[in-house]
Amino acid sequence: ELKVEQNPLFLSMQEGKNYTIYCNYSTTSDRLYWYRQDPGKSLESLFVLLSNGAVKQEGRLMASLDTKARLSTLHITAAVHDLSATYFCAVDRDKFYFGSGTKLNVKP
Amino acid sequence: EPEVTQTPSHQVTQMGQEVILRCVPISNHLYFYWYRQILGQKVEFLVSFYNNEISEKSEIFDDQFSVERPDGSNFTLKIRSTKLEDSAMYFCASRLQGSNTIYFGEGSWLTVV
Repeated sequence: ELKVEQNPLFLSMQEGKNYTIYCNYSTTSDRLYWYRQDPGKSLESLFVLLSNGAVKQEGRLMASLDTKARLSTLHITAAVHDLSATYFCAVDRDKFYFGSGTKLNVKP
Repeated sequence: EPEVTQTPSHQVTQMGQEVILRCVPISNHLYFYWYRQILGQKVEFLVSFYNNEISEKSEIFDDQFSVERPDGSNFTLKIRSTKLEDSAMYFCASRLQGSNTIYFGEGSWLTVV
């Protein structure tokens, strides 16, 4: 079965700092998704990455996909408190396989 | 913007009781899914449904679970005899044929006591 691993699982950072969340997966796939989840809430779609080398940016978040390395990254630039949430990557192989999530806490 | 709607948003039930979680997928979508998220854990696949039948199910989806599309709009998940460990957020999702985007509902939070 496809395995999706995220690291770190927990991330506490100061506002203004940069950091990267990593998502590794075990089987070839060209479709990788990033979601944000606030406590008790649903999954908010952030990025859909559909090809090797895909890079997408929205505000302070940028996601990339390297299908050969089976790696996606979510880079946070100049973090702000509002980015505090849990971030999940998910690989699509006819159904979604989710990573364990990265709980991000941005301290003001 | 079209959305997947789920009811109830929160349900508390006694252990051993039957529960039905309801979902209204986006109207022209053909692929439907149920996922589960135990508090603080990752989202887990339960079942996918296409063309009025289950296309895939996980090992979590045992005999106590069933899904149904009773009419043209609803998609339900039934848990026949709930256990404490069924307490979780259950997400319904749908996808348009040929699309890469899956849309999740807001979730139904089930608490088994």
